[in-house]
Amino acid sequence: EAQVTQNPRYLITVTGKKLTVTCSQNMNHEYMSWYRQDPGLGLRQIYYSMNVEVTDKGDVPEGYKVSRKEKRNFPLILESPSPNQTSLYFCASSFEINTGELFFGEGSRLTVL
Amino acid sequence: AQSVTQLDSQVPVFEEAPVELRCNYSSSVSVYLFWYVQYPNQGLQLLLKYLSGSTLVKGINGFEAEFNKSQTSFHLRKPSVHISDTAEYFCAVSGSGGYNKLIFGAGTRLAVHP
Repeated sequence: EAQVTQNPRYLITVTGKKLTVTCSQNMNHEYMSWYRQDPGLGLRQIYYSMNVEVTDKGDVPEGYKVSRKEKRNFPLILESPSPNQTSLYFCASSFEINTGELFFGEGSRLTVL
Repeated sequence: AQSVTQLDSQVPVFEEAPVELRCNYSSSVSVYLFWYVQYPNQGLQLLLKYLSGSTLVKGINGFEAEFNKSQTSFHLRKPSVHISDTAEYFCAVSGSGGYNKLIFGAGTRLAVHP
């Protein structure tokens, strides 16, 4: 089954404790992206990757890091989480971002205390 | 720069009634337009998209949308909604020429009541 898998789905952590949200896709997509969803703001792009070893900032990259060492994986790293990073996070992938369909994971709800 | 405005944050409607969810965009280049749906506790999934050609686009679950270039709109419609259509709907836009970015609106929450 074609899918994007994120882990963990739910996480409560404390300020400053490094965490990683993993994302994996099995569709051989070159494009992958991370979004955060906040009430009234829709989805805002954090980082994206056009291919292995190619990443770029989205609209809200501050406080986040990513890496793309393999085509299928695109982890999101919060080196020192803060309460304003409490949000619902989505990983997505596509064969072609401009005209193609974005396939989303089920989301990771993060709470930073 | 491109932007998307969804004119209604919430739309309540009774079952079997028609519904229209409004979306306007701004862009200095040719655009591609999308509607995504998010059911509770799930990720987003594609409802329909406009790339070129006929301005009336049909999608899954009986939804359709019309691209209106002069009004820079891409409104989503369904002639008769079901309880199962209760979800959040997002309009999104990407640009031509290798823009490599999909910009989402703030979302419209559709609540279908019996």
